Amino acid sequence: KAGVTQTPRYLIKTRGQQVTLSCSPISGHRSVSWYQQTPGQGLQFLFEYFSETQRNKGNFPGRFSGRQFSNSRSEMNVSTLELGDSALYLCASSFRTDSGNTEAFFGQGTRLTVV
Amino acid sequence: TQLLEQSPQFLSIQEGENLTVYCNSSSVFSSLQWYRQEPGEGPVLLVTVVTGGEVKKLKRLTFQFGDARKDSSLHITAAQPGDTGLYLCAGAYNFNKFYFGSGTKLNVKP
Repeated sequence: KAGVTQTPRYLIKTRGQQVTLSCSPISGHRSVSWYQQTPGQGLQFLFEYFSETQRNKGNFPGRFSGRQFSNSRSEMNVSTLELGDSALYLCASSFRTDSGNTEAFFGQGTRLTVV
Repeated sequence: TQLLEQSPQFLSIQEGENLTVYCNSSSVFSSLQWYRQEPGEGPVLLVTVVTGGEVKKLKRLTFQFGDARKDSSLHITAAQPGDTGLYLCAGAYNFNKFYFGSGTKLNVKP
């Protein structure tokens, strides 16, 4: 079974630009979550999509948005980039186990550098 | 303020030593997961603990969930250089929203 695939792996953008990151979850997983990881703040939850609907949202400004398609693939968009948006962006694909718990599997991430 | 506090933040030990990493919270979680992350890569799931007092073993790694489901520990026996990485605990809260601890950076020297 293929794992979670994130593209691109690396990205360099200029302040003020916008960026779109892509995530393909594990086949059969309907939930996709996005996280931002920085050395100072650690891993922080951005949002979660399930069946094309945003189900959970973290405390990030409206410049951060996402969507999910009918095939469960998800995209994350950041507009008006700031230097502080430089981070590793991680996508996690989740499923509910037989015992009712959730397990998340992460992609390799997209390293975004804003200059 | 982190919902999950991990300690220690950094750990540098010699190959063959034992170590314990702690993950504490004032909140109750439905389950708690441990991940290991290597530089430039995504976290890899090691284990999920669900029941208070539960103990799970994964080769030289022993995971324990506190009775009240607020804290957890990871014990590594006879650490090896291949154990080097960032260890993260994550509490499951509200469907698929996970809160992560700040992580413990482990370096095992040969």
